[in-house]
Amino acid sequence: GAVVSQHPSRVICKSGTSVKIECRSLDFQATTMFWYRQFPKQSLMLMATSNEGSKATYEQGVEKDKFLINHASLTLSTLTVTSAHPEDSSFYICSASSGGFDTQYFGPGTRLTVL
Amino acid sequence: GESVGLHLPTLSVQEGDNSIINCAYSNSASDYFIWYKQESGKGPQFIIDIRSNMDKRQGQRVTVLLNKTVKHLSLQIAATQPGDSAVYFCAEKRGSNYKLTFGKGTLLTVNP
Repeated sequence: GAVVSQHPSRVICKSGTSVKIECRSLDFQATTMFWYRQFPKQSLMLMATSNEGSKATYEQGVEKDKFLINHASLTLSTLTVTSAHPEDSSFYICSASSGGFDTQYFGPGTRLTVL
Repeated sequence: GESVGLHLPTLSVQEGDNSIINCAYSNSASDYFIWYKQESGKGPQFIIDIRSNMDKRQGQRVTVLLNKTVKHLSLQIAATQPGDSAVYFCAEKRGSNYKLTFGKGTLLTVNP
């Protein structure tokens, strides 16, 4: 149980284009989903927290107009990197939780490379 | 705030030895702690958790110890295997706040 999937697993795009990453909880309802970014040899940095049906809460320094998050259902959240630039290249990981004391279960991550 | 490290601490052990990975957390109000394992190119995988009203919890081949006095958490892996090679992160959470704060991570290498 508690499986979270992400799609795509890796994507290469040109600078200036937008990329959408999907995060799905496969066998449970995720009231809360989280989006993280991880650079090589570094820890996970939380970008935003989203609850189903409401606007995402972004961490300080994360541009909400650049990283659009939609959490339209209890099993799906999407992250859209708009007008991507090479510095946006990173490993993006989502996690999902049923809330409260429940732990977060992580997706397999999406490797984004912006040329 | 979040812990971000440019240089991962490393631990190298021989196959069959016991491993101990340590983590210092910063927020004395944190009341829930989790250890995650992350293999290269993959997302973090839940290993074991512990609430602040406990000081020890055991799983299969793993034990987590919590010392709230010195804000220290450790993960013990018994009879370490090559498949245990990965980066291990501790994470902390506080009350009803859903956010996790991750530690820097430790790279465990198991030599056959």
